[in-house]
Amino acid sequence: QSALTQPASVSGSPGQSITISCTGTSSDVGGYKYVSWFQQHPGKAPKLMIYDVNNRPSGVSNRFSGSKSGNTASLTISGLQAEDEADYYCSSYTSSSTLFGGGTKLTVL
Amino acid sequence: QVQLQESGPGLVKPSQTLSVTCTVSGGSISSGGYYWSWIRQHPGKGLEWIGYIYYSGSPYHNPSLKSRATISVDTSKNQFSLKLSSVTAADTAVYYCARGAYDFDMWGQGTLVTVSS
Repeated sequence: QSALTQPASVSGSPGQSITISCTGTSSDVGGYKYVSWFQQHPGKAPKLMIYDVNNRPSGVSNRFSGSKSGNTASLTISGLQAEDEADYYCSSYTSSSTLFGGGTKLTVL
Repeated sequence: QVQLQESGPGLVKPSQTLSVTCTVSGGSISSGGYYWSWIRQHPGKGLEWIGYIYYSGSPYHNPSLKSRATISVDTSKNQFSLKLSSVTAADTAVYYCARGAYDFDMWGQGTLVTVSS
């Protein structure tokens, strides 16, 4: 199974909103409501930001939101802040494995 | 608060077996409700799922590892482990343990394993 497809990089200015896409197939992203998003700062372990497409764990800012349409899931970050600069990864459950996206580097200009 | 901590050798020779262990504290693996996973990250690259296990069930492994990976659990020690056989330089990575099967909500800090002679 191939990795999920994410843009290599996105950028935005403080206060703006950005969206990161995560494209799979009907066997993964499109077939289940089990998509998660992770934030990873350099040298740190990833942190869960969104699970089950659009749910935020306790303690995660409501500036982070998730959605899905067909085989593509999206992570939107509103009111960009300097500390949001990081790598972001999506993941999806499948019937036989878990897939990750290739990662997206977010730069806050 | 559940915490996960990886431990491993740091350096493994090519063709040997890599072994890393994750110790879970602040909660019991055998209390149920969660899968326990291994994930790796090659230097400067993205995340790769290796596999997961439930405390009472069979493990699931990434087919791309071609049966080299074996995940096991020791409930008496509240640990779960990964063995990866016939390693090459391509297996050099940071190995993370995490709670969950796809919605990994708790992670260890990661342990770098280098494959080199």
